[in-house]
Amino acid sequence: EAQVTQNPRYLITVTGKKLTVTCSQNMNHEYMSWYRQDPGLGLRQIYYSMNVEVTDKGDVPEGYKVSRKEKRNFPLILESPSPNQTSLYFCASRPIFRGRRPYEQYFGPGTRLTVT
Amino acid sequence: GDSVTQMEGPVTLSEEAFLTINCTYTATGYPSLFWYVQYPGEGLQLLLKATKADDKGSNKGFEATYRKETTSFHLEKGSVQVSDSAVYFCALSFSDRGSTLGRLYFGRGTQLTVWP
Repeated sequence: EAQVTQNPRYLITVTGKKLTVTCSQNMNHEYMSWYRQDPGLGLRQIYYSMNVEVTDKGDVPEGYKVSRKEKRNFPLILESPSPNQTSLYFCASRPIFRGRRPYEQYFGPGTRLTVT
Repeated sequence: GDSVTQMEGPVTLSEEAFLTINCTYTATGYPSLFWYVQYPGEGLQLLLKATKADDKGSNKGFEATYRKETTSFHLEKGSVQVSDSAVYFCALSFSDRGSTLGRLYFGRGTQLTVWP
């Protein structure tokens, strides 16, 4: 089954304790990205990656890091989490456009993070 | 910049009522337009899409028409069901921009609750 998986699904942590949220896709997609969802703000992109070893900032990258060492994995790293990073996080993937046809973006089930 | 504006929710309807969720966009160029749906506790799923002006996307009884003259992509359904209760997101992306290729710009989401 084609899917994007995220772990953990729920996480409660304390300020300053480094954490990693993993994301993996089994569709051989080049493009992967992370979003955070906050009430009244919709989804905002944190980081994205066009392929292995190619990553770039989205709209709200502060306080986050990513890496793309393998095509299937795109972990999100919070080196020193703070309460304002309490949010619902989604990983997504899709193939790179070919011509002008847009491709569906596949989303993971989400990770609810609480930083106290 | 490029952006999407959705009508504010929440929207509460009785079963079999007519649904409209308004969505307008601001973009330089010719984006593709999407509606995503998020059921409780789940990630986002693509509901429908349209890639050029006057295209109509449809799925599961939902429809939306890409109106370039009014920069709109309103979501409609003739008869909603309890199972349609979810958060709906309007989004746009471009297929012809290098640095933002594939990125989705989301509206803030509209919560729909349908009562039996």
